[in-house]
Amino acid sequence: KAGVTQTPRYLIKTRGQQVTLSCSPISGHRSVSWYQQTPGQGLQFLFEYFSETQRNKGNFPGRFSGRQFSNSRSEMNVSTLELGDSALYLCASSFKAGSTGELFFGEGSRLTVL
Amino acid sequence: GENVEQHPSTLSVQEGDSAVIKCTYSDSASNYFPWYKQELGKRPQLIIDIRSNVGEKKDQRIAVTLNKTAKHFSLHITETQPEDSAVYFCAVGSNTDKLIFGTGTRLQVFP
Repeated sequence: KAGVTQTPRYLIKTRGQQVTLSCSPISGHRSVSWYQQTPGQGLQFLFEYFSETQRNKGNFPGRFSGRQFSNSRSEMNVSTLELGDSALYLCASSFKAGSTGELFFGEGSRLTVL
Repeated sequence: GENVEQHPSTLSVQEGDSAVIKCTYSDSASNYFPWYKQELGKRPQLIIDIRSNVGEKKDQRIAVTLNKTAKHFSLHITETQPEDSAVYFCAVGSNTDKLIFGTGTRLQVFP
């Protein structure tokens, strides 16, 4: 069974630009969560989608948005990029919704904002 | 919302020694407590988890203990080996909320 796939793996953007990251979950998994990982801050929750509906949202500004498609693939978008958005963005899928089951992480998309 | 604190942030041990990482949480409704291991350049992976109806769980050299009254849980690694070197994250979940992670502990095991 293929794991969680994230694209692109690496990208460099400049301040003010926007970026779209993609996540393909494990086949059969309908829940996709996104996390931002920075040194010293650990894994900070962005949002969770289940069956195309956003179930939970973290404390990030409105520049961060996401969506999920009918095939469970998910995208997140960050508009008007700031230097502080440089981070590893991790996507995780799980079979059921909520936060009481195992998350399977992708390898992440490393975003650098110059 | 839930607040998770993890200590220590770094931990160095000699091979064969034990390592203990502790996390505290604030929401008494939390009922799921997993631990993830992230090796350098790799994705986080679940190594052990515990639910609120259990006080302790073991899997070979790793164990997790939960004290619901005090709202803290700990990861115990015995007979540490160099391959245990990684960043370990605790997390807290509930039936109605998101999974919140601690800030991580960098464990270094010296041969």
